[in-house]
Amino acid sequence: GQQVMQIPQYQHVQEGEDFTTYCNSSTTLSNIQWYKQRPGGHPVFLIQLVKSGEVKKQKRLTFQFGEAKKNSSLHITATQTTDVGTYFCAGLSSSGTYKYIFGTGTRLKVLA
Amino acid sequence: NAGVTQTPKFRILKIGQSMTLQCAQDMNHNYMYWYRQDPGMGLKLIYYSVGAGITDKGEVPNGYNVSRSTTEDFPLRLELAAPSQTSVYFCASSRGLAGTTYNEQFFGPGTRLTVL
Repeated sequence: GQQVMQIPQYQHVQEGEDFTTYCNSSTTLSNIQWYKQRPGGHPVFLIQLVKSGEVKKQKRLTFQFGEAKKNSSLHITATQTTDVGTYFCAGLSSSGTYKYIFGTGTRLKVLA
Repeated sequence: NAGVTQTPKFRILKIGQSMTLQCAQDMNHNYMYWYRQDPGMGLKLIYYSVGAGITDKGEVPNGYNVSRSTTEDFPLRLELAAPSQTSVYFCASSRGLAGTTYNEQFFGPGTRLTVL
């Protein structure tokens, strides 16, 4: 079945450093979503990417969808302590189902 | 709007007991989902529904049942609780069709379940 892997599993950065998490799917995706989950909280939607090669920006966050629609990345520029949490990608298979498969997540710690 | 609500917040069950986790949304969303999240792990899809009366299995459906008699409610039933079902359960809903820009998932606050 469809699998979605994320790397790294954990990342500790100094405040002000950049951070990137990568998401790789075993199958071609129809679209991909990114979520952030604060410790003890629930996932909160960040963005959805649909088109091959798509790049979207939200302030310090840059999201990319690969040309083959099998991978994606989230890059945070100049991290802040408010960026702490776990970042998940969720991929929707292009095979026509309505199931989003979540990645394993990357837990980000920002040291002040 | 309350969004997605879940009850209870916490529950401890004994092995073999049964319970229903409640989920409701007031956004008139068609799609609803149940996920489980084990400690330090990602979310696994248990069941989902694309509308009232329609449900389908996700990645980890064994040991669970669902029903969707109304647009608003999507309860998850555990029949014979086992320690392997200790987890945090999240319900989510989304508005539109897959592949559109309208299927952002809104999550409830979760139910923390322990089976002893």
